[in-house]
Amino acid sequence: EADIYQTPRYLVIGTGKKITLECSQTMGHDKMYWYQQDPGMELHLIHYSYGVNSTEKGDLSSESTVSRIRTEHFPLTLESARPSHTSQYLCASSAGPAEAFFGQGTRLTVV
Amino acid sequence: AQRVTQPEKLLSVFKGAPVELKCNYSYSGSPELFWYVQYSRQRLQLLLRHISRESIKGFTADLNKGETSFHLKKPFAQEEDSAMYYCALSGRNTGTASKLTFGTGTRLQVTL
Repeated sequence: EADIYQTPRYLVIGTGKKITLECSQTMGHDKMYWYQQDPGMELHLIHYSYGVNSTEKGDLSSESTVSRIRTEHFPLTLESARPSHTSQYLCASSAGPAEAFFGQGTRLTVV
Repeated sequence: AQRVTQPEKLLSVFKGAPVELKCNYSYSGSPELFWYVQYSRQRLQLLLRHISRESIKGFTADLNKGETSFHLKKPFAQEEDSAMYYCALSGRNTGTASKLTFGTGTRLQVTL
């Protein structure tokens, strides 16, 4: 079934660790996005991509990095996690300017 | 730069009352406007988009280019409408790397 998947759903990790949040979509969408959202609060765009080997920073400055080597895969990496990175991270994809489909999110806690 | 503004963080209405969630935008090109909804413990999902001009779950939204607004309306609120609502904007020109920008969201609370 065509969908967008995020793993892990929950992650608790110590300060200074390197982490990668996975996002994969099986819908063949060209555009993918990462948003940061505290529960019930606004979504901040931190990265987006409009195709393979293209990535752009979003509106909110983030210490994370992303890559887009394959159309279906858009992982987000934090080289050294800090408590200020504690948040929910939402991945989304869309076909051009059409409807965006969201994953379930990854709730990250850095202790 | 593109920007979406939702002035109300919380809107509380009684069941059966009309609902209007406000959204204003700023964009230099041709905008594509959306309303997304997030029910408790569910994924963020599309509610409606201006280009389709349809009513979903009794909600409608009209794009007013003169006022740069895209307010969401429903004549009679239901309890199941309680959720977080986000207005979003994207550039319509698919040739550009247009991003999808969200407003700050409005929590709609429908009470008996």
